[in-house]
Amino acid sequence: GESVGLHLPTLSVQEGDNSIINCAYSNSASDYFIWYKQESGKGPQFIIDIRSNMDKRQGQRVTVLLNKTVKHLSLQIAATQPGDSAVYFCAERNSGGYQKVTFGTGTKLQVIP
Amino acid sequence: DADVTQTPRNRITKTGKRIMLECSQTKGHDRMYWYRQDPGLGLRLIYYSFDVKDINKGEISDGYSVSRQAQAKFSLSLESAIPNQTALYFCATSETGSAEKLFFGSGTQLSVL
Repeated sequence: GESVGLHLPTLSVQEGDNSIINCAYSNSASDYFIWYKQESGKGPQFIIDIRSNMDKRQGQRVTVLLNKTVKHLSLQIAATQPGDSAVYFCAERNSGGYQKVTFGTGTKLQVIP
Repeated sequence: DADVTQTPRNRITKTGKRIMLECSQTKGHDRMYWYRQDPGLGLRLIYYSFDVKDINKGEISDGYSVSRQAQAKFSLSLESAIPNQTALYFCATSETGSAEKLFFGSGTQLSVL
């Protein structure tokens, strides 16, 4: 069945350093992989996605890497800032039917000033 | 103004009571969703609707019902609330064809005593 999981529940990073958040997935039928950011007291916010036929996609200060061989997804944040402190969720979209999005359990990123 | 508005933001109720959570959106999206968030479990899909006449059960629909009153409104009801329905509830929307990019409301924290 579908499952999306994370390797680390909490990640502490010094301000200015790069952050890497990892995620494992098991559903080979997913056609999109997505990262969401959830700040305290708010709903999740879309950050970036990647199609299953790609292995890398870059955004503003963020890069998503997809390794389909080992079913691994990562989010890299360059020059981490205090405003990056949040819980990050990986998610996957099912390619069939209603294209449902399934979320992982989240990683908390703490930025140390 | 928020694009996806949930009311109320917080609600405390007693076991056996009927509760309705409301969601309205100004994004003009056809697709609307209700998710539930519990600590350590990520977000789980309760119900989703692709238009006013299309409503579908998600992975945890037991004990819940929904109503899509209009394109912009999607409400979630707990007919007889129980304590294990205590959770943070999120409404979300997406464009047709971009189901991976969800737009979330700020959430409703529901406590069932």
